[in-house]
This record gives sequence, C-alpha cells and structure tokens, in this order.
Amino acid sequence: DAKTTQPNSMESNEEEPVHLPCNHSTISGTDYIHWYRQLPSQGPEYVIHGLTSNVNNRMASLAIAEDRKSSTLILHRATLRDAAVYYCILRDVVQGAQKLVFGQGTRLTINP
Amino acid sequence: NAGVMQNPRHLVRRRGQEARLRCSPMKGHSHVYWYRQLPEEGLKFMVYLQKENIIDESGMPKERFSAEFPKEGPSILRIQQVVRGDSAAYFCASSPRDWDTEAFFGQGTRLTVV
Repeated sequence: DAKTTQPNSMESNEEEPVHLPCNHSTISGTDYIHWYRQLPSQGPEYVIHGLTSNVNNRMASLAIAEDRKSSTLILHRATLRDAAVYYCILRDVVQGAQKLVFGQGTRLTINP
Repeated sequence: NAGVMQNPRHLVRRRGQEARLRCSPMKGHSHVYWYRQLPEEGLKFMVYLQKENIIDESGMPKERFSAEFPKEGPSILRIQQVVRGDSAAYFCASSPRDWDTEAFFGQGTRLTVV
C-alpha cells in the first residue's frame, strides 16, 4: 500500500479555515486520494476523495498538488463538531476492491 | 435507508467465552469489511467479505477469529476463547461494490473481556 504522511496533531480556532496536509510522494497514477475522519467514540466517516483535480463537497475541499505527491484537506469554517482524527488514504482503483489502510491520522483540535 | 448497523454496541465477555459481533450492511451493499481498533490506536483491517465469500483475510489473527457473510442475514465476526487482549472496538464497513466510492462505517461494537 502506498504510504501517506500526516502531522500527528493540529489545532485551530472555531470559525476559521483549517488546512490539513498529507504527503504521498510514492503515489501511483491510479491511486485515488481518500479522506476519512473519526469523531470521538464513533466509526469513521467519509469526507471526500479525488484523483487529479481539486474537489469540493458540502463537508470540505480537497486540493491536490499538480504532481499529486501531496494534498490538502480544507475545512472552510471549522466548528467544534469538526474535532476528530482525519485520515488521508490512498487506494488503487485498478486493483479493484481494496481495503482501506488507515495510518495514524491527524488529530484536529478546535478551540472555541 | 438505514446506515450500517452493528450489534451489540457493547459486549462484555469473560476470558474463555465466545464473542459474536453482527454487522448488517446498508441495503444493496454486497461488500463488508471488518476493522479492529485497540484503545488509543488506529484502525487495523481484519477481513473483507462479499456474500458467501472471504476475499481478503490478511488482517485476521490465525487462531480464534473467523468471519462470515452468508447469503441471507448479517455478517458475523466470531471470536472464540476471548482473552483480555481482544478488548477493542470492532467496526464494520460496507460499500456497494469496490472502494472507489464512499464506504459507510457502523458505530462499532465495543468488546470488553474481563
């Protein structure tokens, strides 16, 4: 499985934007970049995914570097409910059904 | 459309007993994945199943653990002769086909072995 590197923790303030980085220098051309988050005492929750172009949905935006060796998850206006562990995961679509391999993720703390 | 349902939410077993964890995937989903999360640790893949087939069990311990996803009914993760080290949160996820789209996780079963 291609490896991702994320900071162990980040902190931000409520109602401010948050940029969560992820490095994936060994990404292959067929790897999708997925982001999931896990709120305290809950199961993981899908956030967003993309391949090459930047992606937006109601939860967040995903900015993918031109060389695809890094990406950034953007929460435009953080709330206290966004406090969670955020996981950046690569998945090779060509190989078909593949398990998601979770790393340690980034623990995001939101200050009121 | 109900989400992924796991039950029980909390399970207490004495050492040596058996634990059965159930997972009902979302309607129309034929792919089920089980993960284990030890306290203060990340999620570890255990097994991937489709209806009546085990596709990938590379994360399953070789002994005492088994999983099934029958044609009818929920997926079952079975742990025989539980030990204290089995205490963890067990999460199930489902998807309609491959992982190229969103996967849905249940709320987990928290197993405590006393």
